[in-house]
Amino acid sequence: GENVEQHPSTLSVQEGDSAVIKCTYSDSASNYFPWYKQELGKGPQLIIDIRSNVGEKKDQRIAVTLNKTAKHFSLHITETQPEDSAVYFCAALLGYSTLTFGKGTMLLVSP
Amino acid sequence: GAGVSQSPSNKVTEKGKDVELRCDPISGHTALYWYRQSLGQGLEFLIYFQGNSAPDKSGLPSDRFSAERTGESVSTLTIQRTQQEDSAVYLCASSQRRGGGADTQYFGPGTRLTVL
Repeated sequence: GENVEQHPSTLSVQEGDSAVIKCTYSDSASNYFPWYKQELGKGPQLIIDIRSNVGEKKDQRIAVTLNKTAKHFSLHITETQPEDSAVYFCAALLGYSTLTFGKGTMLLVSP
Repeated sequence: GAGVSQSPSNKVTEKGKDVELRCDPISGHTALYWYRQSLGQGLEFLIYFQGNSAPDKSGLPSDRFSAERTGESVSTLTIQRTQQEDSAVYLCASSQRRGGGADTQYFGPGTRLTVL
């Protein structure tokens, strides 16, 4: 099966700084890598995803990079704002159904 | 449009009782997933439905856990003889399977289960 490691477990930044969260996966056959943001008391919400045939994807202040050779992918948030504070999860899809999630990163953006 | 809904939002029960958790997926989504999230942990996959059948139930932790789906819509997750270690947030997600490749899973708000 798939195994996903996520680092760091907590990340504190000042408003306006950049934040980077990194994940590694174990199965080279994994082909889809979404990132979810979870606010307190809510379900995870998809913020960006990348497929295995793409190396980088951007959406405004958020970007994701994928290195298939090294089997790792990263989330980059620029110009962080207090409302970015949440728990972020990476995940990897092996096959067509089962997402394997990392254990999450709690991001705290201080004004 | 309406998102994934789950009920109840909170459930407190006594050890040994049975509980039923409900998920209403996004209309038209043929795939439905159940996950469990324990305090401070990531999401643990439980079971996946495609239509009304469950091709992958490998994540169910014991035979006390079961799930069903009817009418390619609502799903219920049943936990029999609950134990304190069953306390967690149970999350449901749905996606629009297009016959191949990955598609986005949309999550509901979850049901927080507390077993006393």
